[in-house]
Amino acid sequence: EAQVTQNPRYLITVTGKKLTVTCSQNMNHEYMSWYRQDPGLGLRQIYYSMNVEVTDKGDVPEGYKVSRKEKRNFPLILESPSPNQTSLYFCASSPSEGELNQPQHFGDGTRLSIL
Amino acid sequence: QQQVKQSPQSLIVQKGGISIINCAYENTAFDYFPWYQQFPGKGPALLIAIRPDVSEKKEGRFTISFNKSAKQFSLHIMDSQPGDSATYFCAANSKQGAQKLVFGQGTRLTINP
Repeated sequence: EAQVTQNPRYLITVTGKKLTVTCSQNMNHEYMSWYRQDPGLGLRQIYYSMNVEVTDKGDVPEGYKVSRKEKRNFPLILESPSPNQTSLYFCASSPSEGELNQPQHFGDGTRLSIL
Repeated sequence: QQQVKQSPQSLIVQKGGISIINCAYENTAFDYFPWYQQFPGKGPALLIAIRPDVSEKKEGRFTISFNKSAKQFSLHIMDSQPGDSATYFCAANSKQGAQKLVFGQGTRLTINP
């Protein structure tokens, strides 16, 4: 089954304790992205990657890091989490554009609470 | 600065009625306008999408209307059903912007039986 898998699905942690949210896709997609979803703001892109070892900032990258060492994995790293990073996070992937934009496939989300 | 503005924030429609959600964008470079549907506990899933070379696209009960000159597009759900109750997001991006997909704020739709 084609899917984007995120782990963990839920996490409660404390300020300053480094954490990593993993994301893996089994569709051989080139593009991967991380979004955060907050009430009234919709989804905002944090980082995206166009291929292995190629990453770039989205609209809200402050406080986050990513890496793309393998095509299927795109972990999101919070080196020193703060309460304003409490949010619902989504990983997404899509194939390379070719002639047209391609739809993104989303994981089921990770709810992070930073106390 | 919200590049894609979506309204209303919430919407209640009776079963069988028409649900209408509106979006407006600013960036004239946008050339792809998808709508995503999200159920509780799930990620957004592509519902329907349109490109600016057409003014309307219909898939079953779902229709996108697109007004390029006004920089607006809307989702119409005909014969709305309780199973359509979900949060809907409009979005936009451009080929030049690769995968920088910009989302609207979302609309929570409730269909009353």
